[in-house]
Amino acid sequence: DAGVIQSPRHEVTEMGQEVTLRCKPISGHNSLFWYRQTMMRGLELLIYFNNNVPIDDSGMPEDRFSAKMPNASFSTLKIQPSEPRDSAVYFCASTPTGVGANVLTFGAGSRLTVL
Amino acid sequence: LAKTTQPISMDSYEGQEVNITCSHNNIATNDYITWYQQFPSQGPRFIIQGYKTKVTNEVASLFIPADRKSSTLSLPRVSLSDTAVYYCLVGDMGGSTLGRLYFGRGTQLTVWP
Repeated sequence: DAGVIQSPRHEVTEMGQEVTLRCKPISGHNSLFWYRQTMMRGLELLIYFNNNVPIDDSGMPEDRFSAKMPNASFSTLKIQPSEPRDSAVYFCASTPTGVGANVLTFGAGSRLTVL
Repeated sequence: LAKTTQPISMDSYEGQEVNITCSHNNIATNDYITWYQQFPSQGPRFIIQGYKTKVTNEVASLFIPADRKSSTLSLPRVSLSDTAVYYCLVGDMGGSTLGRLYFGRGTQLTVWP
């Protein structure tokens, strides 16, 4: 298995532009998580899905952020419009569900810079 | 949601044993304790997981006392490559309940020559 695949690895954009980050979870993993990491706030959970359904989006900072999971093998995190304070590394992680299944496999991350 | 408390940073020298303790006073019956390691420019990766007593694998040992309100990650004979941030997580994803896993700030371990 290739692991959790994220794209793009790096994105530089200007304030006001739309940003779409993509994630392909490990096949068979039915829970998917989006995290954001900054120096100031550490690693924060934004949203997670179970069986493609959003379960908890309370970590999504504001309406400019949205996430979708149209099928078991693909998820997107969209920021529209982007702002400089959105600059961070965004990680996607997946895990199977079941007892003791809180072992997350993370992707390599997408480093976003908003100018 | 069981949050965790761990030291912000620790220093060690090569060849020493390092013990990082995590407090999780509100741990629930179904919660497992999981430790992750993160190198710069990489996502966190799983190190070890346990429920009670002691767990050992090829990388580390995890000690959990009977009350489960804390846990200690033990790294034997660290090397420079063990310099990383270590996160302690407590959560349950079993059955019909999905845990909201909380990473916190982690512990920055720096190993010196």
